[in-house]
Amino acid sequence: GAVVSQHPSWVICKSGTSVKIECRSLDFQATTMFWYRQFPKQSLMLMATSNEGSKATYEQGVEKDKFLINHASLTLSTLTVTSAHPEDSSFYICSARGDSGRTNTGELFFGEGSRLTVL
Amino acid sequence: AQSVTQLGSHVSVSEGALVLLRCNYSSSVPPYLFWYVQYPNQGLQLLLKYTSAATLVKGINGFEAEFKKSETSFHLTKPSAHMSDAAEYFCAVSGGFKTIFGAGTRLFVKA
Repeated sequence: GAVVSQHPSWVICKSGTSVKIECRSLDFQATTMFWYRQFPKQSLMLMATSNEGSKATYEQGVEKDKFLINHASLTLSTLTVTSAHPEDSSFYICSARGDSGRTNTGELFFGEGSRLTVL
Repeated sequence: AQSVTQLGSHVSVSEGALVLLRCNYSSSVPPYLFWYVQYPNQGLQLLLKYTSAATLVKGINGFEAEFKKSETSFHLTKPSAHMSDAAEYFCAVSGGFKTIFGAGTRLFVKA
């Protein structure tokens, strides 16, 4: 199956710093990627939809200036948490939906997730 | 509009027993339905999917699910639980661009 790689898996940073998380589709082109946030023992909360070559679409209540998304190529989307604070600590997961036939049924391919801890 | 309801946030079974995780959905268009599994500190892995072909779908690790339109259900089953099945399971529905996830059901397997 298609592979999505997310990096870093774990990151610890000081309050006020910015953190970048990368999401790569390794063996397929992903015109659309999705960024989720997951709190402990909860479901995935869609933060934004990342579209290659255009601006991301953010869900209601998600701060655009706080969570910067860039999808500069067909295989890479990045999420930057700017001026991170302890309340931004969470598990962030990306997923990709390609433009190939095998993904036109809506199946998502997920990255491994990134655990962010802000001190 | 679409939604997913997973009945039971926790399910506990004995090793070797039947696993049944319940999922009901609503969708204004013919849905695509999915079950994903998540192990601690990992992303989600697709178990199986329904895409309007056979109503009984077989997935990985011995799991299967049956699409019942009349009941708007897509319950996940496995005849015999294994310790390695302990994880969080998410039912999801997609009828368009977005995928909507259920709240998740944590499966515990007792020795």
